[in-house]
Amino acid sequence: DGGITQSPKYLFRKEGQNVTLSCEQNLNHDAMYWYRQDPGQGLRLIYYSQIVNDFQKGDIAEGYSVSREKKESFPLTVTSAQKNPTAFYLCASSIWTGVINTGELFFGEGSRLTVL
Amino acid sequence: AQKVTQAQTEISVVEKEDVTLDCVYETRDTTYYLFWYKQPPSGELVFLIRRNSFDEQNEISGRYSWNFQKSTSSFNFTITASQVVDSAVYFCALSEAQGGGADGLTFGKGTHLIIQP
Repeated sequence: DGGITQSPKYLFRKEGQNVTLSCEQNLNHDAMYWYRQDPGQGLRLIYYSQIVNDFQKGDIAEGYSVSREKKESFPLTVTSAQKNPTAFYLCASSIWTGVINTGELFFGEGSRLTVL
Repeated sequence: AQKVTQAQTEISVVEKEDVTLDCVYETRDTTYYLFWYKQPPSGELVFLIRRNSFDEQNEISGRYSWNFQKSTSSFNFTITASQVVDSAVYFCALSEAQGGGADGLTFGKGTHLIIQP
């Protein structure tokens, strides 16, 4: 079945450690996204990528890094510079024609990161 | 800049009641898309509907219906005869044509809907 797979589903980290969240899709979508969700805050965009080897900062990119070496994969690293990393992280993908993004996003099941 | 407001943070109703979730948006673009997503307790967001700015026709899908009014910049969502399985967080979202919407969607903060048996 086509879809988006995020791993791990739950992750615990000590302060000062970097952690990488995995996101893989087999939908053949060009565009991929990382969102952060906090209670009562909705979803906020961290990074997005429209094509391989290219990505752009979203609204809250500080303390995060990404790579897009393959079309199917868009891992997110939460670095020690992220001051409040405990959150629910959602990866998504969409079709991108290069002209307009009709915007229907397909989401993974999320990764819940807790910093101890 | 675009903005989506969902003023209702939480709604609780008894099963079989009708319930409407409000969504108000702001955009300077004349071409845009509006969406509703459902987030059940499992966490994954599920797409419900997309509507483009040129199509103001209301839509009905089973117990779900959507009312799009450009005059009031609203895209409200109604569940008729609610069921416990409808309990979830519902997000309204906006994608603008300017810039191609390459940066994904702008989401509202969500409305937590609780359907009590």
